Amino acid sequence: DGGITQSPKYLFRKEGQNVTLSCEQNLNHDAMYWYRQDPGQGLRLIYYSQIVNDFQKGDIAEGYSVSREKKESFPLTVTSAQKNPTAFYLCASSPGQQSNQPQHFGDGTRLSIL
Amino acid sequence: GNSVTQMEGPVTLSEEAFLTINCTYTATGYPSLFWYVQYPGEGLQLLLKATKADDKGSNKGFEATYRKETTSFHLEKGSVQVSDSAVYFCALSDRETSGSRLTFGEGTQLTVNP
Repeated sequence: DGGITQSPKYLFRKEGQNVTLSCEQNLNHDAMYWYRQDPGQGLRLIYYSQIVNDFQKGDIAEGYSVSREKKESFPLTVTSAQKNPTAFYLCASSPGQQSNQPQHFGDGTRLSIL
Repeated sequence: GNSVTQMEGPVTLSEEAFLTINCTYTATGYPSLFWYVQYPGEGLQLLLKATKADDKGSNKGFEATYRKETTSFHLEKGSVQVSDSAVYFCALSDRETSGSRLTFGEGTQLTVNP
C-alpha cells in the first residue's frame, strides 16, 4: 500500500543535540511538508518542498533544517537552536502545486527533551 | 493572509446526537476547503473536501457545504457514534496566494459518550 512512513515514533533529545526525523513516501508525490503540532493547537508549517532539490521556509522554520535530495525522502533536523522542540511532528505529501489535491499525512513523531 | 477559525471545543455529545462543528475562513483567492480527522496518537486523515462554491463534500455520514457568501464550511453529522471521538481540523489551500500549502484551524476535540 502507498503511504507515508515517519520514524521513529518516539524520539528523545538531550540538550545541545541535533536530531533528525525521517519521512519517506511511496506515493510518487512531488510536494512534501513538515508540520509541528503542540497540545490543543492546530498545525504549523515548518518547511515545505515542491520539488526535489528545492525547499522553502514555512511559518516557524527557525531552529530547523531540511533536505530534499530524493523525491521520496524529506528528513527534518531539529537543531540545538530550537529551544522548545517538544512537540508532535507530522510529515505530509501532495501531488504538487494543485491546491485542490489533499495532503496525505504520516503517523507522526513525538519528540521530547531528556 | 489566509486564516481558518473553528468553533471552540471540546464538544461532548451522546451517541446518536446531531453534530455541528463550525468553520469560517478568510482567503484572498479561491480556496479549496478540507476537513481532516485525527485519532489519538495518529496523523491526520482526510475526511472530506470541497473545491468550489456550493460544492458539498461527504464521507462516512459527515457532510460540509462550501458557502462562499458566508465564508463557511461547517461540518455536520446526523447521528454520531463513539468511534467518531477524535480531533477535527478545518483547513484551506489557496492556489492564488499559497499554492498547495494548507492553513489549519486550531482543531475541535469531539468526545461521544455511549
